[in-house]
Amino acid sequence: DTEVTQTPKHLVMGMTNKKSLKCEQHMGHRAMYWYKQKAKKPPELMFVYSYEKLSINESVPSRFSPECPNSSLLNLHLHALQPEDSALYLCASSQGPLTGTDTQYFGPGTRLTVL
Amino acid sequence: QKEVEQNSGPLSVPEGAIASLNCTYSDRVSQSFFWYRQYSGKSPELIMSIYSNGDKEDGRFTAQLNKASQYVSLLIRDSQPSDSATYLCAVTDSGYSTLTFGKGTMLLVSP
Repeated sequence: DTEVTQTPKHLVMGMTNKKSLKCEQHMGHRAMYWYKQKAKKPPELMFVYSYEKLSINESVPSRFSPECPNSSLLNLHLHALQPEDSALYLCASSQGPLTGTDTQYFGPGTRLTVL
Repeated sequence: QKEVEQNSGPLSVPEGAIASLNCTYSDRVSQSFFWYRQYSGKSPELIMSIYSNGDKEDGRFTAQLNKASQYVSLLIRDSQPSDSATYLCAVTDSGYSTLTFGKGTMLLVSP
């Protein structure tokens, strides 16, 4: 089973709203990732959690706040977003760093629209 | 700066033909190589992974890796209209396993 689940599938929010995206995996993976993908572009890495600790933050604005409550769950808290933040937000997981053949599996994504 | 280059396409092939997708990468320490398929509006789906020089076959798909030339390719035999998608090449090194993606090649298979 290589399933990563994400909720919600779609989200429309105003610039003053606070919302959260959720990601879950039950593959025993110890690394989890958030990506942002705009139309006709490749996924762009935002954050990496390794063993439940934030290991990479790719200079993402503070209006995006990641959280890893446990090894199976990853959240992305959103606050005061801008219309240009509208995109497909992808979660991925992998066995973990330094495993030699670390393969990332993606969830179905959350389509976010900021009005 | 790591770079992964792909022809953006579209690559158009007739149904039943072989589709050949190519990718070059700049970082010689790259260790793992992946091909993802992405349908419009959907998330990337892993098609193939390859770690050592040579060919790796899985059904209609064959990945080829040449580390000396820093080149990885994906062959799709007996192409079907359902193969029409964007194919993303991605590479990672042996460190923190962050993926560097190419911009993707759009494949169109016509009936």
